[in-house]
Amino acid sequence: AQKITQTQPGMFVQEKEAVTLDCTYDTSDQSYGLFWYKQPSSGEMIFLIYQGSYDEQNATEGRYSLNFQKARKSANLVISASQLGDSAMYFCAMRRSKYGNKLVFGAGTILRVKS
Amino acid sequence: EAQVTQNPRYLITVTGKKLTVTCSQNMNHEYMSWYRQDPGLGLRQIYYSMNVEVTDKGDVPEGYKVSRKEKRNFPLILESPSPNQTSLYFCASSLWRTGMSSYNSPLHFGNGTRLTVT
Repeated sequence: AQKITQTQPGMFVQEKEAVTLDCTYDTSDQSYGLFWYKQPSSGEMIFLIYQGSYDEQNATEGRYSLNFQKARKSANLVISASQLGDSAMYFCAMRRSKYGNKLVFGAGTILRVKS
Repeated sequence: EAQVTQNPRYLITVTGKKLTVTCSQNMNHEYMSWYRQDPGLGLRQIYYSMNVEVTDKGDVPEGYKVSRKEKRNFPLILESPSPNQTSLYFCASSLWRTGMSSYNSPLHFGNGTRLTVT
């Protein structure tokens, strides 16, 4: 069975500093995609960044980057230069090639950015 | 603008009164899905559809119905809502092409529907 683990229920970061949100996953598949989503207090789910299992380079998208360590099955999200608007819940998720009908989510990490 | 549109955003209803939450996407996506989000339980898939007239159960389908008569629309129907269906509901869509690496496709979510059943 596939599983996503986010071990940090909550994190604080000072404005303008970088923060890393942890994500580990469990799958025996070779082909899969890893995604990060942001959910602000208003409730919507916003897609941030994607990493494919065959991608050799870490994904980057503006201030977001993904630290992908395939052998350790981890896909940590790094947010650089944190802003107050980054305060939100962050979800790591996985989609497998064999069961692409479903995106499996972790429990999420609440990030609070302090001014 | 590419988007997934859900309506209504908020809905308060009573036990047993049939309701429909609409979902429409303008990205020509094959795949659509419904999720519910509950505190402590995370996001769980209710139903999904890989294309028109093709639907299947997710992890928590009991008490829900869906249909996919057109590619762009995927309504969620609660025939007889109960209080345990009080939740935040999301519709999502993505590309899905058989034989391609569609697992790479991110899900695009609607803004959510907060349903309260009293």
